[in-house]
Amino acid sequence: QKEVEQNSGPLSVPEGAIASLNCTYSDRGSQSFFWYRQYSGKSPELIMFIYSNGDKEDGRFTAQLNKASQYVSLLIRDSQPSDSATYLCAVNGGDSNYQLIWGAGTKLIIKP
Amino acid sequence: GAVVSQHPSWVICKSGTSVKIECRSLDFQATTMFWYRQFPKQSLMLMATSNEGSKATYEQGVEKDKFLINHASLTLSTLTVTSAHPEDSSFYICSGKGFSNQPQHFGDGTRLSIL
Repeated sequence: QKEVEQNSGPLSVPEGAIASLNCTYSDRGSQSFFWYRQYSGKSPELIMFIYSNGDKEDGRFTAQLNKASQYVSLLIRDSQPSDSATYLCAVNGGDSNYQLIWGAGTKLIIKP
Repeated sequence: GAVVSQHPSWVICKSGTSVKIECRSLDFQATTMFWYRQFPKQSLMLMATSNEGSKATYEQGVEKDKFLINHASLTLSTLTVTSAHPEDSSFYICSGKGFSNQPQHFGDGTRLSIL
């Protein structure tokens, strides 16, 4: 069974520090990797996506992908209290319907 | 870009009522739409996947006769919860994606409360 694993947290990070969120996946055939942010009571919001090995940066966010280790991470620089949310890792298994396999999410708390 | 509009945002109704939820992609063509359900403090649960013009594919354990999905165009999908009961109360969220491996973009969700 295809799985995506995340530490549920909570992960507590001081304001201004770097938050590092990690995710591992089981399907070596996975091709697309996504990070979503979900505030309590709200729907998920796309933060980053990455398709190739290496780093992809967008503002304060950096996604890192290592297909050999089946590992994807999200770094948030200069963390702000507004970054406090649950971060969901999702992986596309490459099937024809492009369904995502979801991690359970990591709760991130940024302390002022 | 990539905006998905979902309505209504909140529904409260009596047991036995049927409720229709609309999901529209405003600025892209959603070849595939997904319907999720999320209970408090739990993970997203995929209910069904629909491709424009085709019958929806339901996940195991989801009653297709209870949760009717229509994806009549590249910009509109609807979920109808038929004869809703209190146990159907949940947060229902749709998402749409374009071609190939493009990301899913989510609507704001519909909070359904059945009395």
